[in-house]
Amino acid sequence: DTAVSQTPKYLVTQMGNDKSIKCEQNLGHDTMYWYKQDSKKFLKIMFSYNNKELIINETVPNRFSPKSPDKAHLNLHINSLELGDSAVYFCASSQWGRTEAFFGQGTRLTVV
Amino acid sequence: QKEVEQDPGPLSVPEGAIVSLNCTYSNSAFQYFMWYRQYSRKGPELLMYTYSSGNKEDGRFTAQVDKSSKYISLFIRDSQPSDSATYLCAMSEEDTGNQFYFGTGTSLTVIP
Repeated sequence: DTAVSQTPKYLVTQMGNDKSIKCEQNLGHDTMYWYKQDSKKFLKIMFSYNNKELIINETVPNRFSPKSPDKAHLNLHINSLELGDSAVYFCASSQWGRTEAFFGQGTRLTVV
Repeated sequence: QKEVEQDPGPLSVPEGAIVSLNCTYSNSAFQYFMWYRQYSRKGPELLMYTYSSGNKEDGRFTAQVDKSSKYISLFIRDSQPSDSATYLCAMSEEDTGNQFYFGTGTSLTVIP
């Protein structure tokens, strides 16, 4: 039973397109995150939501818009995709105040 | 300069060797220290975490934190081919909304 699941796993799209990545967690956590991992394996936080409220919003182009319809879901919508957006995007969840974060399998986005 | 520095490797060792993985950091407010293991094309999974200074042991894995030197280590005893992965250190401050700062990861290969 997958704890944090993301869809799709792979996404290949053309520059200028708009795409969404979905994330769901069944761990009962109240905090969810989006991370971006570049080709050098560096993981950088993009957004964090606690109880559907935006908590962390790092310096990310406003083409990226997260949406949390409920505590168990955090989606990421990306407008006008650019070549530099190609990366692996990870969703994660944790309980507020606890250090253990659980990651999804990642979505490998390739913009051509 | 990144907040967390980690030698990217790659590190290649024979089976049974003792492996030492290290991270340094600059933010003295970090209180939580974590090690994640990431297999190829998978999401990071939490291996160990420690609070403040000291050692923590879990089977073949030992995590050490030296806050005075701003240095953390992960030791793997009797390394196995299944330990081959990228190891990421991560840190966070207390009461900052669960914001984790990751190192760039060290790629480890254990040769049978």
